Amino acid sequence: EADIYQTPRYLVIGTGKKITLECSQTMGHDKMYWYQQDPGMELHLIHYSYGVNSTEKGDLSSESTVSRIRTEHFPLTLESARPSHTSQYLCASSEAKGGGVETQYFGPGTRLLVL
Amino acid sequence: GQSLEQPSEVTAVEGAIVQINCTYQTSGFYGLSWYQQHDGGAPTFLSYNGLDGLEETGRFSSFLSRSDSYGYLLLQELQMKDSASYFCAVCMNRDDKIIFGKGTRLHILP
Repeated sequence: EADIYQTPRYLVIGTGKKITLECSQTMGHDKMYWYQQDPGMELHLIHYSYGVNSTEKGDLSSESTVSRIRTEHFPLTLESARPSHTSQYLCASSEAKGGGVETQYFGPGTRLLVL
Repeated sequence: GQSLEQPSEVTAVEGAIVQINCTYQTSGFYGLSWYQQHDGGAPTFLSYNGLDGLEETGRFSSFLSRSDSYGYLLLQELQMKDSASYFCAVCMNRDDKIIFGKGTRLHILP
């Protein structure tokens, strides 16, 4: 069973606030990812990381930033939340295999509502 | 650009067999994966095809043909709990970025 955690699970916040979504995994995986997903819609890659001190932007930067200071921790920060940021945010991790990524393990997600 | 195409919705009857196709316009990837996502939940891994051919895991099977740029997920003996969205995904070998299809919503009728 995957051990990847996200907090908070639900967040309601006002426009302009700074928020940080937490993601931690205890599997020792090198690669971690953040996705944004609206209900019933596709997954959009926001950021990913190959390991400590490595971060890359995905196809949808969504005006957010990430950091990877420790292997197990990959927080996502929105400097100024807007209603358009309302969505579900999913964190995932995977092992760095020589033949590419076979399996991603997803956290339970954070549902964000920006008023 | 890189893209994976799936039907947006598929409907099948409980106990039947259903196939969800995934065609892609991309190259240079390691393999094709399938994920299941129930409403309100997170995606969970179902299967992976690194090589061409059929992979079987219980009621679920997955197939890949690189020459045809095509793969599919086959679900047998459908159960109501199989009602969910199913995503195909590839891992690009130039940067290990994961690209997901838009997902197929599977509706199961009793």
